[in-house]
Formats: sequence, structure tokens, C-alpha cells
Amino acid sequence: QTVVTQEPSLTVSPGGTVTLTCASSTGVVTSGYYPNWFQQKPGQAPRALIYITSNKHSWTPARFSGSLLGGKAALTLSGVQPEDEAEYYCLLYYGGSWVFGGGTKLTVL
Amino acid sequence: QVQLVESGGGVVQPGGSLRLSCAASGFTFSSYGMHWVRQAPGKGLEWVAFDGTNKYYPDSVKGRFTISRDNSKNTLYLQMNSLRAEDTAVYYCAKTNGASGTFTDYWGQGTLVTVSS
Repeated sequence: QTVVTQEPSLTVSPGGTVTLTCASSTGVVTSGYYPNWFQQKPGQAPRALIYITSNKHSWTPARFSGSLLGGKAALTLSGVQPEDEAEYYCLLYYGGSWVFGGGTKLTVL
Repeated sequence: QVQLVESGGGVVQPGGSLRLSCAASGFTFSSYGMHWVRQAPGKGLEWVAFDGTNKYYPDSVKGRFTISRDNSKNTLYLQMNSLRAEDTAVYYCAKTNGASGTFTDYWGQGTLVTVSS
């Protein structure tokens, strides 16, 4: 049973920078796991933000960036806005199986 | 513009069956892999099925759920049999970037399935 682990919650001040991470129970996360990041606000469907580690969709704000950091996939928000308060999920690919992380609840305070 | 509209959710008894649909528009449906993803009340996202070059399922639904599509109708389906209380969730369909499903871009708004007696 593969487990993908994210921080359960993080708090950041408006205008600040925060990094969310995504770890795999199988070991080091590489781009071969095609890391995806999604944002979900209460009552809404998830919205795709980042694909294959660091690529942004056309609608992804410039303040969001993806990377590999310390053996994990990472999502960094720079210059956080109040509207960035949401749940964030990563998704990793395991060759015919996809596993979501448990999500990080980001509070902007 | 890409649109995905799920339907078919509702209340079903344990052991029952339900078929969900996802009507797609705004892209060449036959060229893209599609996922079903679910979210139990107050919980996180869980991948349920993929249809593309091949079909894949997690162990939690393998043998009970079947993903299929009708390219002539631009519609994705999820046939759910032997339903359990733990299958209660909002079910989303999501479009991927191609037949292999390397990444997901567009999501529907979801349809709620409640398994209860």
C-alpha cells in the first residue's frame, strides 16, 4: 500500500512565502512520478495548478511554483494572497496507479 | 472551452449498483485519457479509475467498478456494483493530457453518491 504524505496544515501571513511538500513511502520522488498539484476551496471541485513537477497551466498564478526538494515534490507560494487559503493536494503516478496525498490545509492569517 | 458534467449520483442501498456519466465537450474526447476521482465527506481525494491506453483501478474498487466510454457520445461512464457505505463520496471526472494520463487538467463539478439503507 503506497502512501503519499503531505503536511496536514500550514499557516502563512499575507505576502509571505510557504512551501508544501509531497513525500512517497516508496522513496525519493522524481519527475518520473509526474507530480501534480491541485487546489481545492470549500464546496468547489479541485483545480489543477502544477503538472510534471514544475509546469504551470495557463490559468496558474505566477506566485505558484513547483519543484523537487529534499527527495520530495514541493509547491511554493510566494507573495501569498488571502484567496490562496485552501486545501492543496499532490498526486503521484506509480505506473498504472495514481495516489493522492492526504492534503495540506493552508491558512492565510 | 472544456466542460465536464457528471450525472447519475443518488442514494443507493448497500450491495446495490449505480452508473455515473460524465458528458464532455470542448475537446476531442476520444484522444484523451480520463480519470474518475472521489472524495468522501470531509476527506481527501482518492483516485478511482483511469481509462486511456489501458484501464486501471486501485485495489479498493477493482472487481466492483468498471470504467468505460462512448466516444460517439463524448461520454465517460463508471459502473459501480456491490456498493458499500465507504463508497459514499462526491465523484469527479477529470481530463488528462493524452492517452497515457501523464497529468490532469480539467475537472467536472462532481456528483454525490450516498450508499445507505
